[in-house]
Amino acid sequence: AQSVAQPEDQVNVAEGNPLTVKCTYSVSGNPYLFWYVQYPNRGLQFLLKYITGDNLVKGSYGFEAEFNKSQTSFHLKKPSALVSDSALYFCAVRDIAWGNNRLAFGKGNQVVVIP
Amino acid sequence: DGGITQSPKYLFRKEGQNVTLSCEQNLNHDAMYWYRQDPGQGLRLIYYSQIVNDFQKGDIAEGYSVSREKKESFPLTVTSAQKNPTAFYLCASKRQGSADVNIQYFGAGTRLSVL
Repeated sequence: AQSVAQPEDQVNVAEGNPLTVKCTYSVSGNPYLFWYVQYPNRGLQFLLKYITGDNLVKGSYGFEAEFNKSQTSFHLKKPSALVSDSALYFCAVRDIAWGNNRLAFGKGNQVVVIP
Repeated sequence: DGGITQSPKYLFRKEGQNVTLSCEQNLNHDAMYWYRQDPGQGLRLIYYSQIVNDFQKGDIAEGYSVSREKKESFPLTVTSAQKNPTAFYLCASKRQGSADVNIQYFGAGTRLSVL
């Protein structure tokens, strides 16, 4: 089965410092990878995706992610974190066992940006 | 104002009672999904539907039922057979066969608690 792992439960970072949220994946075939963000008591918002092409993908709110095939990773990054970036972040991969129709989500990482 | 609307925002269930969570979308999306979110467990798929009058079980369908009589609507019933229903429930939708392949768009969620 296709899966993603988010090894850290919580990431703490000072405002203005670089932010990295880690994700590794396990798939057969070419991975379709996604990052979503969830603010408290809200639904998930799409940030960015990797399908093919450049390994560095740029998304919403200044976030980017780097696809690394040799390390099977898709880490989310932001050069300078804001307090408003404090949220829950989910990595997801297309689950090809179910065709084009399902995503497998990681358990999520809580990001806390300290003023 | 396009999007996915979930109602109610908060719902309380008495023991032995069936309750229904509403999900409506005006995005003209073909596929719709229901997820359950528990702390530290990420999102787990309950049911999904790719087309009107058709739906498939996800990973945790027991104790839940759905219908898809209209393209815009995908209600979820939490039955009395679901012994641990307390969770945050998220509805999502997705276009089929578009350039935005696999991007799911989420509603704001319904928080269900047991009285």
